[in-house]
Amino acid sequence: DAKTTQPTSMDCAEGRAANLPCNHSTISGNEYVYWYRQIHSQGPQYIIHGLKNNETNEMASLIITEDRKSSTLILPHATLRDTAVYYCIVRPGTWGKLQFGAGTQVVVTP
Amino acid sequence: EPEVTQTPSHQVTQMGQEVILRCVPISNHLYFYWYRQILGQKVEFLVSFYNNEISEKSEIFDDQFSVERPDGSNFTLKIRSTKLEDSAMYFCASRIAGADSYEQYFGPGTRLTVT
Repeated sequence: DAKTTQPTSMDCAEGRAANLPCNHSTISGNEYVYWYRQIHSQGPQYIIHGLKNNETNEMASLIITEDRKSSTLILPHATLRDTAVYYCIVRPGTWGKLQFGAGTQVVVTP
Repeated sequence: EPEVTQTPSHQVTQMGQEVILRCVPISNHLYFYWYRQILGQKVEFLVSFYNNEISEKSEIFDDQFSVERPDGSNFTLKIRSTKLEDSAMYFCASRIAGADSYEQYFGPGTRLTVT
């Protein structure tokens, strides 16, 4: 599976948009970009995924560059409850294991 | 909303003892997983299970580990002879079948402490 690179940490003010970058320059054509988050040692939680088109759901938006070598997860209006570690994961298809990296620790401050 | 449940939430055991961690996946899910997370480290894949057999396992999942689906609802992880380094959070996950089933649902985890 393609390797991903994320910043170690970032802060965000409550109510503002949080933009979380992820580099996956070795992604191959059949690999999807997934985002999960983990709130303080709870089980990871699925956020969103995409192949090449931008995606939006009730939690977030996912912007994938045209060359698919990077993506950005956008939390449109961050709340204190969005404080978590966010993981960008690249893998083929929808089945199989998830390979978690270190992720980005996002801290939302009042 | 349906959710994955795990018991116990915290298990303390002595080195060399056997432990069984239990999970109840979401009822119509057919793919099951175990992951672990040592304190301060990454979430690591252990094993996936489908159609009553292991479909993939990591190098962590050695002969000391086994999984079972003893009935229609439970999915268990057994560690035969625990070591200090088995201390970790263990997460169970499940997924519905089908090509559009992209989401793995995780349980809250069992914290295993080996003394």
